[in-house]
Amino acid sequence: QKEVEQNSGPLSVPEGAIASLNCTYSDRGSQSFFWYRQYSGKSPELIMFIYSNGDKEDGRFTAQLNKASQYVSLLIRDSQPSDSATYLCAVKGGGSYIPTFGRGTSLIVHP
Amino acid sequence: EAGVAQSPRYKIIEKRQSVAFWCNPISGHATLYWYQQILGQGPKLLIQFQNNGVVDDSQLPKDRFSAERLKGVDSTLKIQPAKLEDSAVYLCASSDLSGANYNEQFFGPGTRLTVL
Repeated sequence: QKEVEQNSGPLSVPEGAIASLNCTYSDRGSQSFFWYRQYSGKSPELIMFIYSNGDKEDGRFTAQLNKASQYVSLLIRDSQPSDSATYLCAVKGGGSYIPTFGRGTSLIVHP
Repeated sequence: EAGVAQSPRYKIIEKRQSVAFWCNPISGHATLYWYQQILGQGPKLLIQFQNNGVVDDSQLPKDRFSAERLKGVDSTLKIQPAKLEDSAVYLCASSDLSGANYNEQFFGPGTRLTVL
């Protein structure tokens, strides 16, 4: 049974700060890693995906993957109140299209 | 392009009643997913279709849940009979397995089910 663990939070950061969200996973065969943002009462939307060890940057967002330690993180630079949402980590195993989601981390960016 | 469509958006039923949800994926997307998201949890995959065939339904409670995608386009998820613990948001998602974005899923707005 694959497991994806996230701290449920809430993580509270001031506007303009860096928010760091973490996710660990149990299946060493996992190959694809996704971060989704979900506003309250809305459906998840994809922010970033990463396949290779290291960092991947897209605007204010950076995904970091460390397969040896089995964790993936999301950094949000210059956090804005509009970034306040739940961030879901999802993982897919090697050869499998079936994604496993974590429970999400609630982020609050206060002015 | 139009997104994933779902209906109804909200449904309130009593336990032991039946309910059905409908999903129309993004045009051309071969893969369709149904998720259950209980409040405070991440989405849990119930069933995945590739065209009109089932890829995985290992987490679908088959004694009460059923799903079909007869023509490889839209899909219906049914619960019969409903239990209190089925109260959740039911999300439909679709993806195109070809090209660089083959892993990206696009979610519909969801159906919020309340079982009383």
